[in-house]
Amino acid sequence: ETGVTQSPTHLIKTRGQQVTLRCSSQSGHNTVSWYQQALGQGPQFIFQYYREEENGRGNFPPRFSGLQFPNYSSELNVNALELDDSALYLCASRSDRGLNEQYFGPGTRLTVT
Amino acid sequence: TQLLEQSPQFLSIQEGENLTVYCNSSSVFSSLQWYRQEPGEGPVLLVTVVTGGEVKKLKRLTFQFGDARKDSSLHITAAQPGDTGLYLCAGLDYGQNFVFGPGTRLSVLP
Repeated sequence: ETGVTQSPTHLIKTRGQQVTLRCSSQSGHNTVSWYQQALGQGPQFIFQYYREEENGRGNFPPRFSGLQFPNYSSELNVNALELDDSALYLCASRSDRGLNEQYFGPGTRLTVT
Repeated sequence: TQLLEQSPQFLSIQEGENLTVYCNSSSVFSSLQWYRQEPGEGPVLLVTVVTGGEVKKLKRLTFQFGDARKDSSLHITAAQPGDTGLYLCAGLDYGQNFVFGPGTRLSVLP
């Protein structure tokens, strides 16, 4: 149990729709990162938020956007869904102190049909 | 673009055998983490290594960070079926973002 929660657990959307995924960080963690993990692959970095500001972004188009709130919870929004967006979406939180150890939530399985 | 490679991609062994999996990059990382992931779940952090040449042990698992902080290895002694899973390495770059390898899928047969 990492203390990082994600909702919903599973989601089915249609191509072209929009989706919002949510993440609640572990207490005391001010950094949250979002990853996309396709079946059989390692997680791909989408972006990272530190104290409500985006401070890192991977190779994902602008239709992937996010927010971090004052309580350090976070959202990932994806617009104009495509079939290839079907994946496990993971969020991970960490503190800016110590060894930068990040702790993952259980993920949201998104299926786009 | 920083890349982490992991080898082997798949590994199937018998209970009691030893194994080593590797994580390699041409980039230098400020630290490196190893995770194990079960199907449909999030990765679980096993260890963080920070110093070049550092060795850390976690029961039957031994982790080593390369001297140049570009590579790492994970050695499992006397593997058990409970060790089955996807082993991921992730390097922390100097922009404070993590780069993940594709993983090594380990299957330990009883």
